[in-house]
Amino acid sequence: GESVGLHLPTLSVQEGDNSIINCAYSNSASDYFIWYKQESGKGPQFIIDIRSNMDKRQGQRVTVLLNKTVKHLSLQIAATQPGDSAVYFCAENRHTGKLIFGQGTTLQVKP
Amino acid sequence: DTAVSQTPKYLVTQMGNDKSIKCEQNLGHDTMYWYKQDSKKFLKIMFSYNNKELIINETVPNRFSPKSPDKAHLNLHINSLELGDSAVYFCASSQEGREETQYFGPGTRLLVL
Repeated sequence: GESVGLHLPTLSVQEGDNSIINCAYSNSASDYFIWYKQESGKGPQFIIDIRSNMDKRQGQRVTVLLNKTVKHLSLQIAATQPGDSAVYFCAENRHTGKLIFGQGTTLQVKP
Repeated sequence: DTAVSQTPKYLVTQMGNDKSIKCEQNLGHDTMYWYKQDSKKFLKIMFSYNNKELIINETVPNRFSPKSPDKAHLNLHINSLELGDSAVYFCASSQEGREETQYFGPGTRLLVL
């Protein structure tokens, strides 16, 4: 079946530390994996994506790692800032024209 | 300049009423979507349109009817509102063939009493 899930509903980190948000997926046929950030009262915002033929991709302060062997996806945020506080969603796309979103992890950044 | 806009932002109504939510995007995208986000933040697609044509129609009650007058607009009409319809509804858009990068609107918070 279709399912994309996150390991922890809430993650609390100290400002300046690195954050790692995890996601497990079940469908090995997925082509794309994507991370979205949703700040309070706003719509989700695209952060970074990774194709299924890659295992790592880096952006500005963010890195996404994909382990297809164990069907695991992670988002690493370097030097976490208060502005990073949000709900983070992983999603998968199998070129069916729709995204399947996971449950979401709330990242809390402590000053 | 808001890329994807929705109106209204808040909607409080009685059970049984009919209501509409409007969405507009000025990004020139061909594909638009409606999502429902429940109280646990779970985000699920309802519909998608490509150039005014319905592409995705998930298992959504017939009381929900999307309408796309042109490719920049996708409205959602809901008949006979029920308590379980209370949620945040998000509109989104993307370039054709780039479904992974979707631009979301600010959401419409619907509360059915």
